[in-house]
Amino acid sequence: KNQVEQSPQSLIILEGKNCTLQCNYTVSPFSNLRWYKQDTGRGPVSLTIMTFSENTKSNGRYTATLDADTKQSSLHITASQLSDSASYICVVSADNDMRFGAGTRLTVKP
Amino acid sequence: DSGVTQTPKHLITATGQRVTLRCSPRSGDLSVYWYQQSLDQGLQFLIQYYNGEERAKGNILERFSAQQFPDLHSELNLSSLELGDSALYFCASSDPPGTGGSGANVLTFGAGSRLTVL
Repeated sequence: KNQVEQSPQSLIILEGKNCTLQCNYTVSPFSNLRWYKQDTGRGPVSLTIMTFSENTKSNGRYTATLDADTKQSSLHITASQLSDSASYICVVSADNDMRFGAGTRLTVKP
Repeated sequence: DSGVTQTPKHLITATGQRVTLRCSPRSGDLSVYWYQQSLDQGLQFLIQYYNGEERAKGNILERFSAQQFPDLHSELNLSSLELGDSALYFCASSDPPGTGGSGANVLTFGAGSRLTVL
């Protein structure tokens, strides 16, 4: 069954600290993996997208990694800012299927 | 502005009523997706259209229906509304593979329509 599991469910960190969010998937055959940031009450916004051959992709302070063998991805946020407080959603695509993780809710506190 | 336009932004209605949510996709995108997000829940895929035809169906209730018109805008119709239908409804669009875009179905989301059923 195609599934996407994200952990932790929620996370609280202090401003300036780093954090890593995890995404494990069983979607097959794998096409691509995307991380989205969703501010409360807003639509998700794409952060990174990786295909099978890519194992890391950066977007400013956001760095996503992908291990297609173990079917794991992580999103690393460095030097967190208050504006990073949001839900981060992992989306994995197969050929004609797109699966969303439940998201990790990140809170950055001053 | 993501380029995906959703109307209305907010809607309050009563149980048993019917509402229509509208979505205009980003210019050039042929696919439209509808998602439901209840309070503090993840995005639930409802339905996808590609160039006017239904492409994929998710957890969409029989009381809900959608269509995509020749100009590619889409409407989501919600009928016999229940309290549990209160949620954010997001529309997203994507460019088809091989058109010079990412070719990887990157979704561009609208700002959502917040439906409150009283």
